[in-house]
This record gives sequence, C-alpha cells and structure tokens, in this order.
Amino acid sequence: ELKVEQNPLFLSMQEGKNYTIYCNYSTTSDRLYWYRQDPGKSLESLFVLLSNGAVKQEGRLMASLDTKARLSTLHITAAVHDLSATYFCAVQNSGGSNYKLTFGKGTLLTVNP
Amino acid sequence: GAVVSQHPSRVICKSGTSVKIECRSLDFQATTMFWYRQFPKQSLMLMATSNEGSKATYEQGVEKDKFLINHASLTLSTLTVTSAHPEDSSFYICSLVVSSGGKEQYFGPGTRLTVT
Repeated sequence: ELKVEQNPLFLSMQEGKNYTIYCNYSTTSDRLYWYRQDPGKSLESLFVLLSNGAVKQEGRLMASLDTKARLSTLHITAAVHDLSATYFCAVQNSGGSNYKLTFGKGTLLTVNP
Repeated sequence: GAVVSQHPSRVICKSGTSVKIECRSLDFQATTMFWYRQFPKQSLMLMATSNEGSKATYEQGVEKDKFLINHASLTLSTLTVTSAHPEDSSFYICSLVVSSGGKEQYFGPGTRLTVT
C-alpha cells in the first residue's frame, strides 16, 4: 500500500523567511504532484514532477523530486502573506491505467507579517 | 488543462433525504472520473473511481449502496448520497483524467454538503 507522509503538518513563518515542506512516499511512483488549497476551495495544481532530479519553479515556490530517496520538497523563498494556504503532495501509482492519487495529510502554512 | 464543473456548489438537505451532485468536463472527454471526500482540516480521501459505461470501483470502507455513482457519458458523472445523515456532511470533490491526455487529474471546484 502506497503511503505518503508530509511534514511539517503545520508551519507558521514570518514574511521574508525561507522554508521547506517535505513529502516522503513508500513505493515506486510515476509522478508526484503538489497542490495548493485555500479555505473553502478546491485544489489548485502547482507542479507535476515526472522524473528523478526534476526541479520546477514558479514565483517563490520551487519543487524537486528525488525518486531514489522517494522524497519531494517544496521550497518557499521569501514568503509573503499570499502564500498562506494548505499544501498537499500527491503520488500517482505506477503502471497500467491506474491513475489513482494518494495524498499526504497536507501542510497548513501561515505566513505572518 | 481540462475545465471541470460541479453542481451544486453548496447544498443543504435534511437527514434521510438524497442529494445528487454532478461533475462535468466542459471541454474534454474523460474516460475516468474520481470522487473524493474531504472533512474539515483533513486531506482528500478517494471514495471511488468511475469509468464511463461501467460500474464504479469503490474504495475500502465506502458504502456503494449509499454513495451511488453514475458515469453515463464521457463528460458527466454523478454522485448521489442516499439517505443522508449529518455525518455525511463534507466537501465532495470530483476529478477527471482526460481521455486524450496524460495521467494528470483535473479537479472540480467542490460541493459543500450539509445535512441537518
């Protein structure tokens, strides 16, 4: 059974600071996703990571994937209040036509002025 | 990416009644759709996988007689919560995989169900 662990689950940080959210998963996977969720809203896709060593950046967020370590990171640079949200990583099972996603528990990020 | 709509966005129903939630793909055909449930401050939990023209596959612990899924066309899947109880109150989110695309799931905006 594929398990996905995120940490930390809660992150309170000051504006301007840097921090990293970690996502570990238990078995080989095709791809890893990062999503953002604002209160009362659905998921917004941030990144899709497809291969070992993949790195993607959008604004103050950068995601990376190490398939050998089964680890992905979401790095936040110089945080701003607008980044406050819950961030989920999700891993997609390998093989065939199985497109199921397994989600981490999410990281609630609060950026304080 | 695909545009996914859900209707209604919010619904309040009385205990014991049934409520239907629609999930539509507005611009692409989708052979596979997924239904998730999310309780407050928790992650998304997959309820079932819906393939067009065939019976849905339910995750362990999800009652298929209570949560009826119909994927009647390549652009529409419905979730009916039958005999709803207050504990069924949750945020229901659908997603789909585009038939002609890759494996990425595109998510709907969600439906907030409150059972009184």
